[in-house]
This record gives sequence, structure tokens and C-alpha cells, in this order.
Amino acid sequence: DAGVTQSPTHLIKTRGQHVTLRCSPISGHKSVSWYQQVLGQGPQFIFQYYEKEERGRGNFPDRFSARQFPNYSSELNVNALLLGDSALYLCASSLFNTKDEQYFGPGTRLTVT
Amino acid sequence: GEDVEQSLFLSVREGDSSVINCTYTDSSSTYLYWYKQEPGAGLQLLTYIFSNMDMKQDQRLTVLLNKKDKHLSLRIADTQTGDSAIYFCAESMEGASGSARQLTFGSGTQLTVLP
Repeated sequence: DAGVTQSPTHLIKTRGQHVTLRCSPISGHKSVSWYQQVLGQGPQFIFQYYEKEERGRGNFPDRFSARQFPNYSSELNVNALLLGDSALYLCASSLFNTKDEQYFGPGTRLTVT
Repeated sequence: GEDVEQSLFLSVREGDSSVINCTYTDSSSTYLYWYKQEPGAGLQLLTYIFSNMDMKQDQRLTVLLNKKDKHLSLRIADTQTGDSAIYFCAESMEGASGSARQLTFGSGTQLTVLP
């Protein structure tokens, strides 16, 4: 069975540009969460979507937005990129039940220059 | 507060047991998780424990939870070189909306297994 897939694997952008990252969840999972992992730190929660609705938002500026599609895949958008947005962006999928075991994809490495 | 704290580094000899420790602050956490991250990779879910349990064993992995002290540990028996990685503990909390299941991670413990 395919796990969580993310694209692209790596991305280099310039300050002020916009970026779109994509995620496909495990088959049967209807929830997708996004996390940012800066080098040397643990992942930080950005968003959680379930059944195409935003269910949670972390402490990130409005430059960050996301959406979930009818097939449960998701996009994370970041506008007006800053150097500090350079990080590994991780997508996790889950069943959104009480245990909510979240399974992570390999991530997208974003470098902002 | 929502801090999860871990020691940064641990070195063990191959074949020995490793114990990775974690403290958390949110007493309302329902589930606590251990993830493994190898260089350049995403996070692999290793195991989890429900907050009303004291211990959970899964093959070489043993999780101990002391809810009174908000202390969580992961013991890896017969540690192998392939176990070298960063280990993260995480607590699951409901978000402000009451419906999100966001994970709060520690900074990770770099486990180095020496031959």
C-alpha cells in the first residue's frame, strides 16, 4: 500500500515568491495535517483538515493557507516567502479518530534565498 | 504551557539497551507518541501510549508513562546500528476549536549506536 506522498521533494524559491506544496494521504484516510520542521527542531503544527474543512490552525501567519480536495489530497500555500520559511514541510494523514495516529510523508525541503 | 522536552543526545553500544526520556506539560494529553526520523526522511510512527496506561511493550520497544510526573520514556532493547536516528516524543492535544488533533513535538533526541 502506498504511504503518504508529497511533491515536490525539493524546492528553491526567492524571497517574496509564492509556493504550493502537495500531499496525498494514505488510502482511506480523510484527514491531512501540515507541519513545519526547521533544522534542528521538532515539527510545528500548521493546519489540520478533515473532510475538506479546516479543523485546526497553529500559530502561523496568514501567509500560510491550505485546502483539501474531494479526493482528500491537500495543498499548502505560502505567500510572500521569507528566509525564515526555509524548512522541511511535512504532511501527515490520519483517520481523525480518538487515537489519531498520524503517518508522515517524506516531506518537501523548501529553501528560500 | 505546551512544552515537550527531551535530552538532545544519547550514545550507546550495539547490543545495549537505550532509554530516551521526555517530559511534557499538558495534563490533558490523551495520547503520547514516539516517532523516529532518519537523515533526510520523514517521521516514522514507532508506538504510542494512551494516557491511562503505565506501560506498553511492542517487540524491542517499551514505553513507560508516569502521568504524575508527566514523564515518558522509550526503551529500545538490543540496540542496533540501524536504530541510529533522531527520536521525537509528541503529545496529542485537541486544538482551540475542540476538534483538531494537533501533535506537539519535543526537539528530538539524537541516538548514536556505536559498534
